[in-house]
Amino acid sequence: ETGVTQSPTHLIKTRGQQVTLRCSSQSGHNTVSWYQQALGQGPQFIFQYYREEENGRGNFPPRFSGLQFPNYSSELNVNALELDDSALYLCASSRKGLAGGSETQYFGPGTRLLVL
Amino acid sequence: AQTVTQSQPEMSVQEAETVTLSCTYDTSESDYYLFWYKQPPSRQMILVIRQEAYKQQNATENRFSVNFQKAAKSFSLKISDSQLGDAAMYFCAYSPGGSNYKLTFGKGTLLTVNP
Repeated sequence: ETGVTQSPTHLIKTRGQQVTLRCSSQSGHNTVSWYQQALGQGPQFIFQYYREEENGRGNFPPRFSGLQFPNYSSELNVNALELDDSALYLCASSRKGLAGGSETQYFGPGTRLLVL
Repeated sequence: AQTVTQSQPEMSVQEAETVTLSCTYDTSESDYYLFWYKQPPSRQMILVIRQEAYKQQNATENRFSVNFQKAAKSFSLKISDSQLGDAAMYFCAYSPGGSNYKLTFGKGTLLTVNP
């Protein structure tokens, strides 16, 4: 167990709807990253949040958006859902110091989203 | 753009034997980090081992060790004394140094451990 939690565990939506996924970071961590993992593939980076601001984004359209709260928890919002959005959504938390540098990312158990 | 390639979609090993999973990557950066993550059927991604590119010494964590060949851009994982609990999908991942350290993953290698 990593201390990173995600909710819900499973979700079923229909095309065109909107969805919000939630992530609580591990104690002491200030950075949250979100990944999309399609079936049989490696995770793809969506974006990262640090100090409540987006700190890097992958090749995902603007209908994928996020938030980070003062307690470092985070939300991933997806608007106008498409069938191809069906995937496992993983969040990962890490700690970034003032000098930057790379810290290991620890993953939550994921949210399985199915879009019908 | 950085890429990570895992050329072995599936591997199998007998319990108590040793297996090596391959990974190559492409980057023009000099400062970066490499990781192996394990994803069992429960789907939680678990860190196995981490290697800093500036360190020449190969990382080791108990039965897990890596062979890091920086010039060849190769980063293989060796699992010794394989156990049934090692069965999982294994992902190799790359992260640049600096302030934005997104992970780039390979497609994974499915490891089966036979009793």
